Amino acid sequence: DAGVIQSPRHEVTEMGQEVTLRCKPISGHDYLFWYRQTMMRGLELLIYFNNNVPIDDSGMPEDRFSAKMPNASFSTLKIQPSEPRDSAVYFCASSLGRGSQPQHFGDGTRLSIL
Amino acid sequence: GNSVTQMEGPVTLSEEAFLTINCTYTATGYPSLFWYVQYPGEGLQLLLKATKADDKGSNKGFEATYRKETTSFHLEKGSVQVSDSAVYFCALGTNAGKSTFGDGTTLTVKP
Repeated sequence: DAGVIQSPRHEVTEMGQEVTLRCKPISGHDYLFWYRQTMMRGLELLIYFNNNVPIDDSGMPEDRFSAKMPNASFSTLKIQPSEPRDSAVYFCASSLGRGSQPQHFGDGTRLSIL
Repeated sequence: GNSVTQMEGPVTLSEEAFLTINCTYTATGYPSLFWYVQYPGEGLQLLLKATKADDKGSNKGFEATYRKETTSFHLEKGSVQVSDSAVYFCALGTNAGKSTFGDGTTLTVKP
């Protein structure tokens, strides 16, 4: 079974550029989560979707961040414009059913904003 | 709201030592409890889970028992190996949809 697939694995770009992170969840999973992980702040939930609909985006740090899920097999997290403090590892995860089920994580995108 | 508190790290042990990582939680309702492990450069992966009180989750020699009376889910392993070096996260999930994660505990096992 294919797991959660994220792309790119690494991204290095200059401040002010637009960054788009991509995620393909496990087929059949109806929940999708975006997380950010840094040494200083640990693992933070940014936003999550249920059946392609955003349920809670209270963790999105600023209006520079946006996320979409146009269909059940694809989601994007966009940062525009990017800033050095956005440098982090961004994880996508999916699960089948509600929070009582485990989440399956991708290997993450390591983002560096210069 | 829901919260998870786990033992602060880092934890350093010698190979074959006994491991305990403490985890306590606060939640409304009846959560499911999880331990995830994260190896360097990878995402979190499920290590074990328990869905109701007194359940014991186990995998790869690791165990944790869901204790409702003490709201705890401590992770244990009788004999750690160098390959167990990783970051361990305790988490809870409810029917609200999302999970709540602890801050993670870094374990280093020395040969």
